Amino acid sequence: KQEVTQIPAALSVPEGENLVLNCSFTDSAIYNLQWFRQDPGKGLTSLLLIQSSQREQTSGRLNASLDKSSGRSTLYIAASQPGDSATYLCAVRFNAGNMLTFGGGTRLMVKP
Amino acid sequence: SAVISQKPSRDICQRGTSLTIQCQVDSQVTMMFWYRQQPGQSLTLIATANQGSEATYESGFVIDKFPISRPNLTFSTLTVSNMSPEDSSIYLCSVKGGSSYNEQFFGPGTRLTVL
Repeated sequence: KQEVTQIPAALSVPEGENLVLNCSFTDSAIYNLQWFRQDPGKGLTSLLLIQSSQREQTSGRLNASLDKSSGRSTLYIAASQPGDSATYLCAVRFNAGNMLTFGGGTRLMVKP
Repeated sequence: SAVISQKPSRDICQRGTSLTIQCQVDSQVTMMFWYRQQPGQSLTLIATANQGSEATYESGFVIDKFPISRPNLTFSTLTVSNMSPEDSSIYLCSVKGGSSYNEQFFGPGTRLTVL
């Protein structure tokens, strides 16, 4: 069964800290992987898309890496700010189809 | 990126009634999807909305409960039928296959509460 797991489920850090969110998946034959942000009660905002042929993508203070062989992706957030507080979701499109399989998310709180 | 709007943004409904949620995209897209997010949970795909034909439902979801329409490349509706409190969730429209072909985008969601 193709599954996506995110650890930790929740994380609290002081403002300014650099942090890493983890995502693991059970099948290395992926098509692409996306990181999303979700604010409470809201929809999802796409942060970064990594194709299977890529190893990382960067946008501002965010950097996402992909290691297919180990079934892992990380989302690195530099110099965290209280506005970064949200739930971060990792989603994988496995080769079998168009469906995105979501992890359970990491709920991040950045304290001022 | 695609701009997606959903109506209504939230609703409170009585048990046994039905609600239709609309999804409008600002550009033509190949794929449209409907997801459900139950309280405290991650997202679950309900179905893929196909233009001009019946939607493709995921395991555990059926057309009688969640009828879907997609009359064109920018619009879709999801109906939640004969609602029960267990249907209380956020329902999200999602699209793929626009100008950013491989990237998937989500609407703001419809927060449904069933009493």
